[in-house]
Order: sequence, then structure tokens, then C-alpha cells
Amino acid sequence: NAGVMQNPRHLVRRRGQEARLRCSPMKGHSHVYWYRQLPEEGLKFMVYLQKENIIDESGMPKERFSAEFPKEGPSILRIQQVVRGDSAAYFCASSPPIRNTEAFFGQGTRLTVV
Amino acid sequence: AQSVTQPDIHITVSEGASLELRCNYSYGATPYLFWYVQSPGQGLQLLLKYFSGDTLVQGIKGFEAEFKRSQSSFNLRKPSVHWSDAAEYFCAVGGFSGGYNKLIFGAGTRLAVHP
Repeated sequence: NAGVMQNPRHLVRRRGQEARLRCSPMKGHSHVYWYRQLPEEGLKFMVYLQKENIIDESGMPKERFSAEFPKEGPSILRIQQVVRGDSAAYFCASSPPIRNTEAFFGQGTRLTVV
Repeated sequence: AQSVTQPDIHITVSEGASLELRCNYSYGATPYLFWYVQSPGQGLQLLLKYFSGDTLVQGIKGFEAEFKRSQSSFNLRKPSVHWSDAAEYFCAVGGFSGGYNKLIFGAGTRLAVHP
């Protein structure tokens, strides 16, 4: 059973471009979380999604950031018009559709904005 | 406010020495507590977790942690550190309000191990 798969592992974007980060949850997991880790900091919650639904986006920046988890395919975190401050590691975690179950983390995508 | 404090940013120990990493939390509901380890350039690996029951929790790689409600602490310990334990360690607290596990992480403690 493969773990949570994130791609790409490393992404370089110029200021103003779009970044698309993908997360394929573990088999049987229909819940996805996205976290951001800024340099020298801990992880910060961004958004929690179930299939086709955003449940909690309290940690998402109000502009330029969006997330989706379609019925088919991976979850996507999209950052439009990236700025240098978006450079960070973005981690995805997934959990099964069972209440009170911990989530499992992927390896992360390291975004560098130049 | 909900928060996690890891007072030590960097810790250096000698191989074979004992280790204790501190974690204090502020959380308004029943806390579910976690310790994760992150090696350079890698993702997060769960070391151990506390949901309920025995307040001394055993984890992988010889780590253990003790939940002390009165002190709002969940310190991580290892009796004898190995060079391969050098990494960054994150304490996290979360609940299952709404049925999902939204975590609040500390800033991390970076562990260096001297031979």
C-alpha cells in the first residue's frame, strides 16, 4: 500500500507564475489536509477537504490560493501569481473516512519562487 | 488561544546520552498529542501519539513520551541517543472536533548528535 504521494517533490517558479501541487492520498483515504512549512518554522494548517468538498479552509490565504479534491484524481493546491514569500514546503496528509483517525503525511513539495 | 511551545530550538547531545525534548501546549478541549520526526529534506514520520489511557506512551525507534495534564506537557524522551536520531522533532496537538484531525505544530527542535 503506497503512502501519500506528492508531486513534484521540488518546484521552481518565477514570480507571477502559477504553481500546482498534487497530492494522491493513500488507498482508501478520502480526506486530505494541506499544511505549509515556512523556512525554520513548524507546519501550519491550510485546508481540509473531503471528496469534492472543502470542509475547513481557515488557514488558507485569502487571495491567490485555492484547493480542490475532485471525485477522480489527486487533490490540487493551486497558487496563482506566486511571490517570493510563497517559497515553502507544502505537505499533504490523508486519512480514511473514519472519525477520530490520524492522518498520514506525504514527503512534501518544496516550492522555490525566484 | 491554541498553541504548542517547544522551548528548545536546538539541542546537542552525545551519542549514547539520554534525551528529553520539551513540549507544552495550550488547547481548549481534550488534546490529542503527537510527536513527529523530520529528517533533512524529508517528510514527517509519526513517532508516537497520545489519545487517551496510559499517560506514558511508547513509540517507534525507542522513543517514549509522557502526558502530564497538570503541566500541559508532552515531553519526548529516549534513554540512549543514536547518531541516526539527528533530525528535527515536532510536537503537535489536535482534536477531532467535527470528526477530523486538524493539527497545531510547534516550531520544532533540531537535534544534533555528537559521536
